[in-house]
Amino acid sequence: DQQVKQNSPSLSVQEGRISILNCDYTNSMFDYFLWYKKYPAEGPTFLISISSIKDKNEDGRFTVFLNKSAKHLSLHIVPSQPGDSAVYFCAASVSSGGSNYKLTFGKGTLLTVNP
Amino acid sequence: DAGVTQSPTHLIKTRGQQVTLRCSPKSGHDTVSWYQQALGQGPQFIFQYYEEEERQRGNFPDRFSGHQFPNYSSELNVNALLLGDSALYLCASSPGERYEQYFGPGTRLTVT
Repeated sequence: DQQVKQNSPSLSVQEGRISILNCDYTNSMFDYFLWYKKYPAEGPTFLISISSIKDKNEDGRFTVFLNKSAKHLSLHIVPSQPGDSAVYFCAASVSSGGSNYKLTFGKGTLLTVNP
Repeated sequence: DAGVTQSPTHLIKTRGQQVTLRCSPKSGHDTVSWYQQALGQGPQFIFQYYEEEERQRGNFPDRFSGHQFPNYSSELNVNALLLGDSALYLCASSPGERYEQYFGPGTRLTVT
């Protein structure tokens, strides 16, 4: 039973346009969400996160939106650049007293940004 | 500042053998987690170590065990290797109570 789902295996966008990556979750106990980017032959790189007490978090070209009622989050990249081409993973965590516990990942979405 | 480092980079083992993978966390980080990533899948949580003790464990058999040393580095041991253990093994570290985990480049294990 996959608790974090990324239903689009791949996404292709033009340079300069917006990239929107989507993620759904089923476990209502999740209260912290993260996005990671992964290039081939490298480990995942942390991009941006959001707590369940917020509905938006922005960092430069990256914005994450959280819709708790729909159990849905999305990552927006504006403007998209060819260097953004990578696999993007959505991850979720259940926090407990501020402690850092396991991350549950989706299967990833391959983003290709065309020049 | 060195990030998370893992060794070896690649490893080929035979079914039934045992393997040890090593991880050094990012400077200032005291919590280490291990993940298994099969081809086409997202990373799956194996276990997490803090203060030299296993704090949480995922759905992996007892063949998977670990250890954390006083300098916060960690080892992952897998006994009686199966073909299905072939995967990328990722180590991640974090500074105590922070939620963001920082990953190393991984060890690619192939079991033949």
